Amino acid sequence: NAGVTQTPKFQVLKTGQSMTLQCAQDMNHEYMSWYRQDPGMGLRLIHYSVGAGITDQGEVPNGYNVSRSTTEDFPLRLLSAAPSQTSVYFCASSYGGVNRYEQYFGPGTRLTVT
Amino acid sequence: GQQLNQSPQSMFIQEGEDVSMNCTSSSIFNTWLWYKQDPGEGPVLLIALYKAGELTSNGRLTAQFGITRKDSFLNISASIPSDVGIYFCAGQLPAGGGADGLTFGKGTHLIIQP
Repeated sequence: NAGVTQTPKFQVLKTGQSMTLQCAQDMNHEYMSWYRQDPGMGLRLIHYSVGAGITDQGEVPNGYNVSRSTTEDFPLRLLSAAPSQTSVYFCASSYGGVNRYEQYFGPGTRLTVT
Repeated sequence: GQQLNQSPQSMFIQEGEDVSMNCTSSSIFNTWLWYKQDPGEGPVLLIALYKAGELTSNGRLTAQFGITRKDSFLNISASIPSDVGIYFCAGQLPAGGGADGLTFGKGTHLIIQP
């Protein structure tokens, strides 16, 4: 199993540009989520999904969109990048139900917005 | 979001020493988890706790879910160089308390002095 994969690993955007951060898992996990990590901070939940076709907002959803058309993929879209979105983004997945918080994290995407 | 207060912020220890760190909150949590993050990588789950008073071990690591459900502790015995990294506590709020995901502390940075 590859586990949770994220692409790209690094990205530089100009203010106002759009892009999609890709996340895929091959463990047949129901639950997937996106977090951002800023220097000296813990991770903060952006969006999450409890299954294909179902998404919901986390703690800091503004400026981000998600969709979950398949069990395996959970892309994160930035429609109009802002410098405040400079961060490291982590995707995570887990089995659903009572163990959904035992999450497997991807290696992260480091995004810089200039 | 709910705040998790994690302490200490950093620890400088000698190889072979025992380590203790804790996490507190003003809110009650149903689940406590401890993750470790190495530089440039995503967090890795160490221990998950589901019941107040629960004490769980994973090798040299031991974690406890506080009786009040507002705190948790992580102990590492006989530290070794590969224990270096950032340790995060994370909690899941009771149903109705917000988004269905994890809230993270800011981390304890463990540094082992030669």
